[in-house]
Amino acid sequence: GAVVSQHPSWVICKSGTSVKIECRSLDFQATTMFWYRQFPKQSLMLMATSNEGSKATYEQGVEKDKFLINHASLTLSTLTVTSAHPEDSSFYICSAGGTSGKETQYFGPGTRLLVL
Amino acid sequence: QKEVEQDPGPLSVPEGAIVSLNCTYSNSAFQYFMWYRQYSRKGPELLMYTYSSGNKEDGRFTAQVDKSSKYISLFIRDSQPSDSATYLCAMSPTGNQFYFGTGTSLTVIP
Repeated sequence: GAVVSQHPSWVICKSGTSVKIECRSLDFQATTMFWYRQFPKQSLMLMATSNEGSKATYEQGVEKDKFLINHASLTLSTLTVTSAHPEDSSFYICSAGGTSGKETQYFGPGTRLLVL
Repeated sequence: QKEVEQDPGPLSVPEGAIVSLNCTYSNSAFQYFMWYRQYSRKGPELLMYTYSSGNKEDGRFTAQVDKSSKYISLFIRDSQPSDSATYLCAMSPTGNQFYFGTGTSLTVIP
């Protein structure tokens, strides 16, 4: 149980375009979802926390107009990187926490974004 | 001072060795403690979950929490090359906000 999926797993886009990443909890209801980015050989950097039906809470230094987060249902959250630039290239990972019986997070497999 | 401190390693051990991974923390309100394993280019995978103090065993893995010392450990017995990964500790006071260590890179040499 407690499976989280992410789509796509890999995306390459041109500079200036927008990219949407989906995060789904497949077998439990995720009241809270988290979005992280990770650079090579570095730890997770929390970008934002979102609760179903409400606006996301962004960490300091993360531009909310650039990284749009929508948590429309208890099983789906999306991260849209708007007007992507090469410096946005990174590994983006979502995680879900909630009514799974444990006070913990379950991570998705990650999405690798490359902006040319 | 960071909320959670974890030695980044790298740690290299021969196959079959016992591995000890540790984290310390400063917030006495932490109640939920987790260990994740992350392979390269993959999302972290939950290995162990512990509430409050004590030990928990699952196969070759044992998690220990010592709240009085603000110290948690993960032991891996009979380590295998497939255990080579980065191990992240994480903890939470309420289950809504999580604090991660920076991860320890482990290599098990055949």
